[in-house]
Amino acid sequence: KAGVTQTPRYLIKTRGQQVTLSCSPISGHRSVSWYQQTPGQGLQFLFEYFSETQRNKGNFPGRFSGRQFSNSRSEMNVSTLELGDSALYLCASSLTVDRTGYGYTFGSGTRLTVV
Amino acid sequence: AQSVTQLGSHVSVSEGALVLLRCNYSSSVPPYLFWYVQYPNQGLQLLLKYTTGATLVKGINGFEAEFKKSETSFHLTKPSAHMSDAAEYFCAVTPNSGNTPLVFGKGTRLSVIA
Repeated sequence: KAGVTQTPRYLIKTRGQQVTLSCSPISGHRSVSWYQQTPGQGLQFLFEYFSETQRNKGNFPGRFSGRQFSNSRSEMNVSTLELGDSALYLCASSLTVDRTGYGYTFGSGTRLTVV
Repeated sequence: AQSVTQLGSHVSVSEGALVLLRCNYSSSVPPYLFWYVQYPNQGLQLLLKYTTGATLVKGINGFEAEFKKSETSFHLTKPSAHMSDAAEYFCAVTPNSGNTPLVFGKGTRLSVIA
């Protein structure tokens, strides 16, 4: 079965612009989580959606937002990009919000570079 | 709140040698613990997990980890390193309710020397 699909794989944006990243979870998975990965901070939780509702939110500014559609696909948006937003953005899906079965299944990520 | 500390941001071993990657956690409730591996330009792949039951957990690619509550540790080991094990490894924790986002350590990069 298909894995978690993130698009695009690579993105270069200019400071001040906005960007939208997309994530399609494994078929049947209803929970989608987003993480930001940087060399200095490691993986930091952004937010989680389940059945189109935001269930958890990390400690990021309001410039970071997301949503989930009825087919469980999710998008995250970053407005007014800053250089520090350059990172690998990882999407992870799970069957439900209960991760005791197997944690997450991750996509390959979107590498965002802000110049 | 939960947190994870991975001792050593970079570990280097010779091919065929023992791999030991250290993970200590902090959790106010019984934890569920995970190890993930990340190869270059890829996402994270689950290696193994501890939820309940046996404290020695076996995962893929010959890795195993032991949950030691008294030491709040979940170290990852492999008896004999292979070149293909070179990657970054992440330890993660979530409370045993399971519905809280995973908290990851900062990762340990494993290099394997021929």
